[in-house]
Amino acid sequence: EVELVESGGGLVQPGGSLRLSCAVSGITVSSINYVSWVRQAPGKGLEWVSVIYSGGGTKYADSVKGRFTISRDNPKNTLNLQMNSLRAEDTAVYHCVTSAWNDWGQGTLVTVSS
Amino acid sequence: DVVMTQSPVSLPVTLGQPASISCRSSQSLVYSDGNTYLNWLQQRPGQSPRRLIYEISNRDSGVPDRFSGSGSGTDFTLKISRVEAEDVGVYYCMQATHWPITFGQGTRLEIK
Repeated sequence: EVELVESGGGLVQPGGSLRLSCAVSGITVSSINYVSWVRQAPGKGLEWVSVIYSGGGTKYADSVKGRFTISRDNPKNTLNLQMNSLRAEDTAVYHCVTSAWNDWGQGTLVTVSS
Repeated sequence: DVVMTQSPVSLPVTLGQPASISCRSSQSLVYSDGNTYLNWLQQRPGQSPRRLIYEISNRDSGVPDRFSGSGSGTDFTLKISRVEAEDVGVYYCMQATHWPITFGQGTRLEIK
């Protein structure tokens, strides 16, 4: 059974940085077709943020391009999201999700506020 | 970007009655491999989303057969034949055919 566990969320000031991690078990993260980060602002819907493919290619939503970097740590079997220049509108629960869209982590809350 | 439009936004339903949610995409979701990557997700209160239906009409393991998906091209529907209390939550359609992946705005199902 595939399990995804996010960590690294917290309270950060506008302009600050945070690094999220997603620990993957039950499957080798590099073998998954792609793994995405999806976020959900409080009381709002779902927004795709970023993806990393098995081959290492990446894509970003326009709203985070140039500020967020997705990466993968194969020995640790984890997915990471480095978030810089954070804004209030980045406040959300961040989930990692596999390419089948049937495996979601529980999410980690990022709050950007002064 | 592909815009996914769901209706209704709010869906009050009496227990045991049917429910239907519509999802329309701004362009065809048929991929070059012939598949249509349209999924339905359920998010119960306080929980992460869960995939219910994939590729228009395939129910995930453990999903009751009262849930069914249909449609083609740009027009899709999720139906619940008889709503139960555990079905309360928000339902999202999402497309994984085109990048960026996009979601509908959600339909909140509540018991009348």
